[in-house]
Amino acid sequence: AQKITQTQPGMFVQEKEAVTLDCTYDTSDPSYGLFWYKQPSSGEMIFLIYQGSYDQQNATEGRYSLNFQKARKSANLVISASQLGDSAMYFCAMMEGADGLTFGKGTHLIIQP
Amino acid sequence: DAGVIQSPRHEVTEMGQEVTLRCKPISGHNSLFWYRQTMMRGLELLIYFNNNVPIDDSGMPEDRFSAKMPNASFSTLKIQPSEPRDSAVYFCASSLGTSGRVQETQYFGPGTRLLVL
Repeated sequence: AQKITQTQPGMFVQEKEAVTLDCTYDTSDPSYGLFWYKQPSSGEMIFLIYQGSYDQQNATEGRYSLNFQKARKSANLVISASQLGDSAMYFCAMMEGADGLTFGKGTHLIIQP
Repeated sequence: DAGVIQSPRHEVTEMGQEVTLRCKPISGHNSLFWYRQTMMRGLELLIYFNNNVPIDDSGMPEDRFSAKMPNASFSTLKIQPSEPRDSAVYFCASSLGTSGRVQETQYFGPGTRLLVL
């Protein structure tokens, strides 16, 4: 079974609109962390936001917020007021304990002017 | 501050040749990770080190792959002999690595694009 599922292979969104990228996860470890990374066409992996399994509040970082629903095992990324520069691949990833990251297959987001 | 440094950025080699990828983690980071990204398999963890000690190498695909971390500021990933199916982007990442049960953000290097002909 996949540990991280991203069901949207691609999304087209109009500039300035809000975007929600879906991510569901599967783990039995009570201590885990959820991460989102952005990979633009240049190829680098850019850390965006982190949510710990014990965190009571949803994480926010500027225009990025993480909609964490623990009972549903979902960790959706919300980008407010999208910009052309947000066009990229977005990866959801999970860390169980302090191990390495397990990544989803990614969502290709294209922001249209 | 310098981020994670990887070299070379691009490598083209012929099947059967030895390939060595290099990584310098962020200064002060105690954990180092090697990942591989391909279209077919996505991003996969190959191996990770904590305080220069390999902790989990279960992701290393075959004996042709080996990784070392001789000191806190340098790691290598070696493929010998290389095969066309090893063509991928290889990322190195590092994190603080201060606690065994706390998730810490991993910061990625720019990657090495490897093409094996």
